[in-house]
Amino acid sequence: GQQLNQSPQSMFIQEGEDVSMNCTSSSIFNTWLWYKQDPGEGPVLLIALYKAGELTSNGRLTAQFGITRKDSFLNISASIPSDVGIYFCAGQLVNTDKLIFGTGTRLQVFP
Amino acid sequence: DTGVSQDPRHKITKRGQNVTFRCDPISEHNRLYWYRQTLGQGPEFLTYFQNEAQLEKSRLLSNRFSAERPKGSFSTLEIQRTEQGDSAMYLCASSLGGVTRDTQYFGPGTRLTVL
Repeated sequence: GQQLNQSPQSMFIQEGEDVSMNCTSSSIFNTWLWYKQDPGEGPVLLIALYKAGELTSNGRLTAQFGITRKDSFLNISASIPSDVGIYFCAGQLVNTDKLIFGTGTRLQVFP
Repeated sequence: DTGVSQDPRHKITKRGQNVTFRCDPISEHNRLYWYRQTLGQGPEFLTYFQNEAQLEKSRLLSNRFSAERPKGSFSTLEIQRTEQGDSAMYLCASSLGGVTRDTQYFGPGTRLTVL
C-alpha cells in the first residue's frame, strides 16, 4: 500500500534536546495529522493541520502544514523520557476520507 | 471511557480458522474506519463506513475479509480462512464526518496472530 516518506527513521537523543521530523509526498494533501504510538497501542492524535502554511502548537510540540501541501514537519522541544515512542505523520488526499500514513520515526530519549 | 474501543485486544488463531473483531466508535461519530498495521509499518487503510453504508474498500481487503456496520453504531471485521500473512494489528478509528476539520481518533487495536 501507499505510504508517505517520513524521516528520520529513528532518533536517539538526550533528554532536553529538541527533535525534528518530517514527512513528504508526491501528492497534494488537504489535511496533515501527527500521531504517537506506544507499543501494543493504537495511534494517539497529537496535532491536526488543515490549511497550507498552518503552524500549530500543542505544549512542547509544534507542527506545520507545508506551503506546497506536499509536506509537513513536527518539532518536539526539550524532550523528556515519556516522549519515547513511534511518531507517524498521516495525510488525507483531496476528495478522499482515508488517511495515508508515513513509515514512522522511532524516538528514544536517554536521561 | 468515551474513546474508541476494540474487542478483543489480542487474538491467537490457527491457520484456516475464522475470526471476528468488534469496534465501538466514539458516541455520535458517523464515520468508522478500519486499518491494518504490520510490524514496523504505518497503518494501512482497509475500509470505511458513513453510518451503515460502506463507502470505500481498499484493494488490500481480499474477498476473505468482510466488514459490517449494521445499525450505524458498532462495526465488525471478519476474516475467513485466516492465513499467516493476516497476522497484524487491526485498528479502528472514528470521526464525526461531514465537517470541514474532520479528525480520526483511533482505538487500541486488536493484535491478531495466526499460527
